[in-house]
Amino acid sequence: QQQVKQSPQSLIVQKGGISIINCAYENTAFDYFPWYQQFPGKGPALLIAIRPDVSEKKEGRFTISFNKSAKQFSLHIMDSQPGDSATYFCAASSAGANSKLTFGKGITLSVRP
Amino acid sequence: NAGVTQTPKFRILKIGQSMTLQCTQDMNHNYMYWYRQDPGMGLKLIYYSVGAGITDKGEVPNGYNVSRSTTEDFPLRLELAAPSQTSVYFCASSYFVHGYEQYFGPGTRLTVT
Repeated sequence: QQQVKQSPQSLIVQKGGISIINCAYENTAFDYFPWYQQFPGKGPALLIAIRPDVSEKKEGRFTISFNKSAKQFSLHIMDSQPGDSATYFCAASSAGANSKLTFGKGITLSVRP
Repeated sequence: NAGVTQTPKFRILKIGQSMTLQCTQDMNHNYMYWYRQDPGMGLKLIYYSVGAGITDKGEVPNGYNVSRSTTEDFPLRLELAAPSQTSVYFCASSYFVHGYEQYFGPGTRLTVT
């Protein structure tokens, strides 16, 4: 059972466009939702994260939108650049002694010049 | 700070051989993790540790063993390598599990033939 599902599986966007990656979760106990960015040949790195007490968080060109009732959150990349071409993972975790970070399968974003 | 370092970067093993993947972090994090990444499958947790001397299984522990004798080091042991263990392995560390950034190493690409 996949607890965190990403869509689309891959995405191609023109330079300057908006990239939107969606993530749906099933476990209502999740209350921490990070996005990780991975460049080829590198390990993932935290990009931005949100908690459900806010509906949106913005850091530069990157915004997370959170919809608690729909159990969905999404990453928006404004003014997408070729340097944003990478694999993006959404993830989720809940509090508790056995808490673990559950990752989605990742999507590959290609930004065309 | 070097962050999380992993050795080796690449390795080819024959079926049935054994090896140890090394992982070291210099951030004094209590929590450390081993993930494997297969194409289109995201990151799967193999083992994790909440502190020196304490380890526990993740989602896909079969065929692997770990130890944590110090805060800094968290080696992953593969016994009797099988083709199904062909993957990219990432070590990560964090201050705490829930709500905190996980810092990833650069990965080890392992091929078992």
